[in-house]
Amino acid sequence: EVQLVESGGGLVKPGGSLRLSCAVSGFTFSSYSMNWVRQAPGKGLEWISFISSSGKYIFYADSVKGRFTISRDNAKNSLYLQMNSLRAEDTAVYFCASPTITMIQGVTDYWGQGTLVTVSS
Amino acid sequence: EIVLTQSPGTLSLSPGERATLSCRASQGVSSSYLGWYQQKPGQAPRLLIYGASSRATGVPDRFSGSGSGTYFTLTISRLEPEDFAVYYCHQYGTSPRTFGQGTKVEIK
Repeated sequence: EVQLVESGGGLVKPGGSLRLSCAVSGFTFSSYSMNWVRQAPGKGLEWISFISSSGKYIFYADSVKGRFTISRDNAKNSLYLQMNSLRAEDTAVYFCASPTITMIQGVTDYWGQGTLVTVSS
Repeated sequence: EIVLTQSPGTLSLSPGERATLSCRASQGVSSSYLGWYQQKPGQAPRLLIYGASSRATGVPDRFSGSGSGTYFTLTISRLEPEDFAVYYCHQYGTSPRTFGQGTKVEIK
């Protein structure tokens, strides 16, 4: 069974930092790129970052560029998002998500359950 | 950045009716990299369609996707009670990846 489990969310003051983690099991993590997507309360989905399978290629949304850093540890089957200089507008549920993967049962992608980050004084 | 504009914002329909959701892109999107998601409150998004027209595993065949270039559609042939949710289109061929703002399908 594929599982993506995020952790590390919580309440942080403006200007503060948090590190999110996403523990992956059930597929060969090192073979696939990964993404972080967030959703502000009552709002739509916003893609924020991509990392290739090796970590060589990384992309960010303009809204987080220079403040957030995506990384991965393929030996630990884990994805990370270091978030610095947090702002109120970063308040959201953060999801880690796989690309579409072809498994025996078919093609789909996988998402974690999300972790809530609240930026407030 | 490719802006995806979904219409309508809200679709009020009854169970058994047909739903047609639209997604218009500000520039061409490779069909290979256009997807549709369903999201219910408190849940992660669920992939319905990838590559513009391929159903993801486990997705009922009442869901279908079509389109190319700058105009894509998601059709639900006959709405079931569990289909009332928010739907997002998503392009993942060009960075930054983008989502549409969503279409809410609500019970009339």
